Amino acid sequence: GQQLNQSPQSMFIQEGEDVSMNCTSSSIFNTWLWYKQDPGEGPVLLIALYKAGELTSNGRLTAQFGITRKDSFLNISASIPSDVGIYFCAGQLTGTASKLTFGTGTRLQVTL
Amino acid sequence: EAQVTQNPRYLITVTGKKLTVTCSQNMNHEYMSWYRQDPGLGLRQIYYSMNVEVTDKGDVPEGYKVSRKEKRNFPLILESPSPNQTSLYFCASSLFGSRNEKLFFGSGTQLSVL
Repeated sequence: GQQLNQSPQSMFIQEGEDVSMNCTSSSIFNTWLWYKQDPGEGPVLLIALYKAGELTSNGRLTAQFGITRKDSFLNISASIPSDVGIYFCAGQLTGTASKLTFGTGTRLQVTL
Repeated sequence: EAQVTQNPRYLITVTGKKLTVTCSQNMNHEYMSWYRQDPGLGLRQIYYSMNVEVTDKGDVPEGYKVSRKEKRNFPLILESPSPNQTSLYFCASSLFGSRNEKLFFGSGTQLSVL
């Protein structure tokens, strides 16, 4: 099955820094989703994007649905220690009965 | 509290010994799914179910079975586990499986096959 490529694979940043990560696909999606996985837990939905070009925020998080529909970006501003975890993008096509294709994940570590 | 519950959280077994990982949701969701998570590969879908008695293969179904006899339960069965099935497994559910619905995940089952 198809996979989405996320970059970077991992990041080590200092508290207060901004973070950017992206997700690219060889095919288009109608929906892009961003999930966060805390250590020892399942992924939790952060942001959902439904239209090309859409920019959506959730607190310090901002995500964008790429114009080509083949990519998406997530930014975290002013990182804090609880931002630690693995961030996954996921793409979905209309009519595919909730079949999500997940990215490979970006592991974020925040140091004080 | 609305949740997806998986059991066990951790399981160590030996090659060939049949095992079942249970998944239950209390949200009356029709859609349920199993994923496995491996380093560098993200989450890959194993099987999914749109409703009772309706199941279908995901991207990596080989070596797994599922059943959906009741709406709330969706067990994952490994008839003859092998070491390459060592992984972190997640069950998930949503109301109907439509694209604008939130997918709820369980806390995961870490399986080691020796």
